[in-house]
Amino acid sequence: DGGITQSPKYLFRKEGQNVTLSCEQNLNHDAMYWYRQDPGQGLRLIYYSQIVNDFQKGDIAEGYSVSREKKESFPLTVTSAQKNPTAFYLCASSLRTSGSNEQFFGPGTRLTVL
Amino acid sequence: GQSLEQPSEVTAVEGAIVQINCTYQTSGFYGLSWYQQHDGGAPTFLSYNALDGLEETGRFSSFLSRSDSYGYLLLQELQMKDSASYFCAVRGYSTLTFGKGTMLLVSP
Repeated sequence: DGGITQSPKYLFRKEGQNVTLSCEQNLNHDAMYWYRQDPGQGLRLIYYSQIVNDFQKGDIAEGYSVSREKKESFPLTVTSAQKNPTAFYLCASSLRTSGSNEQFFGPGTRLTVL
Repeated sequence: GQSLEQPSEVTAVEGAIVQINCTYQTSGFYGLSWYQQHDGGAPTFLSYNALDGLEETGRFSSFLSRSDSYGYLLLQELQMKDSASYFCAVRGYSTLTFGKGTMLLVSP
């Protein structure tokens, strides 16, 4: 079955630690995205990538970093510079960025920073 | 930039029809999408309108008026499983901008 996997589902970290969230897709999609969702809020774009070895900042990139070394993988690192990292993080993919109407989402990782 | 407005909550009963409105202000517009998200789950795509008019997919329909910067999602024959959050999202050239979501509560 094709889809997007994110791991782990729940993640706890101490304040001041960097943490990396995993996102893998086997849909052969070119484009991948990271969103942050806070309670009662919509999805806000952190970073997106259109092709391997290329990525662009979204609306709230400060305190986050990404890499895209493989088409299938787009890990997100939440750094200690992120002032309020506790949130629900969603990874998504689409066939490409322009002209693709549908994004497919992973199950999400709920990060809690203590 | 982009901004979207949608009601925070809508309630309805099983079997009824409900309409969730979305107004937007945008500097670049390619279309309006709708996504459904059950509590704690992944958003799933429902519909997309690039042109004015109504798109129908089963019990769900979506409407767009580009001149009014307005769209809506219409859900018919409501079922308990339709209780979820519904997000409108403006598609720009490369990205989506989401509204804050409308929580739909369906009661028996």
